[in-house]
Amino acid sequence: DARVTQTPRHKVTEMGQEVTMRCQPILGHNTVFWYRQTMMQGLELLAYFRNRAPLDDSGMPKDRFSAEMPDATLATLKIQPSEPRDSAVYFCASGLDTGYGYTFGSGTRLTVV
Amino acid sequence: QKEVEQDPGPLSVPEGAIVSLNCTYSNSAFQYFMWYRQYSRKGPELLMYTYSSGNKEDGRFTAQVDKSSKYISLFIRDSQPSDSATYLCAMLAGGYNKLIFGAGTRLAVHP
Repeated sequence: DARVTQTPRHKVTEMGQEVTMRCQPILGHNTVFWYRQTMMQGLELLAYFRNRAPLDDSGMPKDRFSAEMPDATLATLKIQPSEPRDSAVYFCASGLDTGYGYTFGSGTRLTVV
Repeated sequence: QKEVEQDPGPLSVPEGAIVSLNCTYSNSAFQYFMWYRQYSRKGPELLMYTYSSGNKEDGRFTAQVDKSSKYISLFIRDSQPSDSATYLCAMLAGGYNKLIFGAGTRLAVHP
């Protein structure tokens, strides 16, 4: 089965450090989403791309978060500097822009201490 | 008011029961409706997908969409302990639009 691959699976870092999360979407998928999941807020959309172009990143704190797709096989989400409130599970999902569902990765569990 | 409202539960039912999960929404532009299942410490997995109004059945699962009422449902027949998970509804307006999730309903099916 095709899958979305996220790395790392777990990350513990100190406040103020840079964190980079990576996502390899399913080959051929042209839409990529980044979500953050916490107990309090549920799944929050941070950013999404279509054909590698950023369409909406209004859910991201702009001063510290950035999302890019340097090529069709890689999406990155960076936090600099990280803060304890960024502790969450970050999911990447990919799909086709026909709207037929999206496949999620296993997530990166981030803990900022 | 959130675009998509979903009761977080938890919902606890005995094995074999029929489960009904629901979401309401406010954006009439939503056209694509999905249900995802998420097990603890895993990513959401797509369970059901429906375009526009109507019913869709897949084994023990039935998804219903009533666009006139802005209401969607997921029914699980003959529920099993392995169905214990969080169920999230998700919606998309189509075109260059965002996939928006409900809060998720935690379901526990006990033997």
